[in-house]
Amino acid sequence: DQQVKQNSPSLSVQEGRISILNCDYTNSMFDYFLWYKKYPAEGPTFLISISSIKDKNEDGRFTVFLNKSAKHLSLHIVPSQPGDSAVYFCAASARGYSTLTFGKGTMLLVSP
Amino acid sequence: KAGVTQTPRYLIKTRGQQVTLSCSPISGHRSVSWYQQTPGQGLQFLFEYFSETQRNKGNFPGRFSGRQFSNSRSEMNVSTLELGDSALYLCASSLESYGEQFFGPGTRLTVL
Repeated sequence: DQQVKQNSPSLSVQEGRISILNCDYTNSMFDYFLWYKKYPAEGPTFLISISSIKDKNEDGRFTVFLNKSAKHLSLHIVPSQPGDSAVYFCAASARGYSTLTFGKGTMLLVSP
Repeated sequence: KAGVTQTPRYLIKTRGQQVTLSCSPISGHRSVSWYQQTPGQGLQFLFEYFSETQRNKGNFPGRFSGRQFSNSRSEMNVSTLELGDSALYLCASSLESYGEQFFGPGTRLTVL
């Protein structure tokens, strides 16, 4: 039973356009959400996070939106760059727990 | 600050053997978590240690064990290796028991 789902295994975007990566969750206890970026043969790199008390968090080109009623979050990358090509993982944790539950990832390909 | 380090980076073992993987967290971080990444299952939580105590454990058999030392360094051990244990084993550290986790590069274990 997947508690965190990333339904798009892959996404292709042109350089300069917006990339939107989506994530859904089922566990109502989750209150902290994170996005990680991963290159092959490397560990995931933390990108951005959001607490359930917010509905939006921005950091440079990256913005995460959280819709608690829909149990949905999304990561927007604007503008997309070829160096953004990687696998993006959505992760969630419940209050008081550091354990991260991950989605299976979305491979983003940004073409010049 | 140095990041999370994991040794060895690559390991080849045969079925039935045992293996020990090592992780050194970011200086000052007290929480260390271990994850297994496989192509089919994605990133799955193994266990978390905080101040030398195991606080959480994922749904893995007892062949998987770990420990944390007083300097926060952690080891995980897998006994009686099976072919299905071939995976990328990732260690992550965090300052406290909640919030962002920072990952090491992983140890690629191949079981023949």
